Amino acid sequence: SAVISQKPSRDICQRGTSLTIQCQVDSQVTMMFWYRQQPGQSLTLIATANQGSEATYESGFVIDKFPISRPNLTFSTLTVSNMSPEDSSIYLCSAGDSVWSPLHFGNGTRLTVT
Amino acid sequence: SQQGEEDPQALSIQEGENATMNCSYKTSINNLQWYRQNSGRGLVHLILIRSNEREKHSGRLRVTLDTSKKSSSLLITASRAADTASYFCATTMNRDDKIIFGKGTRLHILP
Repeated sequence: SAVISQKPSRDICQRGTSLTIQCQVDSQVTMMFWYRQQPGQSLTLIATANQGSEATYESGFVIDKFPISRPNLTFSTLTVSNMSPEDSSIYLCSAGDSVWSPLHFGNGTRLTVT
Repeated sequence: SQQGEEDPQALSIQEGENATMNCSYKTSINNLQWYRQNSGRGLVHLILIRSNEREKHSGRLRVTLDTSKKSSSLLITASRAADTASYFCATTMNRDDKIIFGKGTRLHILP
């Protein structure tokens, strides 16, 4: 099964700044997703990271706020731009071969915006 | 948006007892998965059940799926302290290529 490394594991950022989260998978995967999770809550899908093309965003999430890159089949980044305290959350990278196979998750990035 | 709703939201049982969690969803699905999340960690996949299956087992886990009622249950038998975690169901809708998670059940195993 794929192993996912996500960096940073946590960060405290000033409002108005941006943070880029990196997600590295130890094998090639077809699908990569970014989720957001408030502590004690469920996961909300932000977007599907598409290799070589623009990410597919869910309702309520836009590219200007959450630009995503996926240059190859093992790596993706999520940037949280122009941060506000409302962006404080846990951001999770996940990857899998298809929606018929398990998703593997990184340990998440705990972001606090002050 | 959430597709699945877990029930109960929280559950505390004595070690050794069985734990049952339920998941209801709204639209037709391709498959349903269950995941576990320990505090401060990412999610770990437990089991996947396809829409044409009714029951699956994996070790102490038993998952059922009732597509007519749009519901699934996860049974953990002979619970252990290490089973303390949050459990989420996740669904993939027909002709869709994303996985949507339910709200989760927080399970606490009492010693």
